Amino acid sequence: RKEVEQDPGPFNVPEGATVAFNCTYSNSASQSFFWYRQDCRKEPKLLMSVYSSGNEDGRFTAQLNRASQYISLLIRDSKLSDSATYLCAVNDGGGFKTIFGAGTRLFVKA
Amino acid sequence: DTAVSQTPKYLVTQMGNDKSIKCEQNLGHDTMYWYKQDSKKFLKIMFSYNNKELIINETVPNRFSPKSPDKAHLNLHINSLELGDSAVYFCASSQYPLSGSVGEQYFGPGTRLTVT
Repeated sequence: RKEVEQDPGPFNVPEGATVAFNCTYSNSASQSFFWYRQDCRKEPKLLMSVYSSGNEDGRFTAQLNRASQYISLLIRDSKLSDSATYLCAVNDGGGFKTIFGAGTRLFVKA
Repeated sequence: DTAVSQTPKYLVTQMGNDKSIKCEQNLGHDTMYWYKQDSKKFLKIMFSYNNKELIINETVPNRFSPKSPDKAHLNLHINSLELGDSAVYFCASSQYPLSGSVGEQYFGPGTRLTVT
């Protein structure tokens, strides 16, 4: 089993749609969880940290389920500009090692 | 001001050559990383440094040698380049997670290495 696994993509959705991504992790001792966004030929950029209580930032909601070892990202009212690859990341131990999922590609169409 | 910068942005070289990539961060972070992103877009950690000390070496061939002259800089030297080294190399930095819940990383723009 891979350390961090994401939904296979790509996701093709119309503008205004709601889309959800899931990510599972194998290490139950993992402490920190993140979603990054990566545009084509660009560097990953932090989208959100994921907290145990769940957190929301505008149209984006992230949730963590420790019992089932997965994190999720919900995007509401999708915009064309949301088209990108979304990477989940799990930070183990003392914070020096972050394991990234393979990413899920999202295409939002007009 | 660029938070994490890398040079060069593009590097095209022949097999067997030696090359270096430089990284600098002005965020005041004490931890820096090198990642490799291959053609399948999988982002994999190579090295991690905390306060100039090597913390993680993820089974990287010893042709790759990182060096951190101070905590704001992390360079990567690659000897005897091979075709399989072609990838995008990202530098990143973060602050040491005092509470265990921090660890957001900030990435440089990447160095696209092509070995012919």
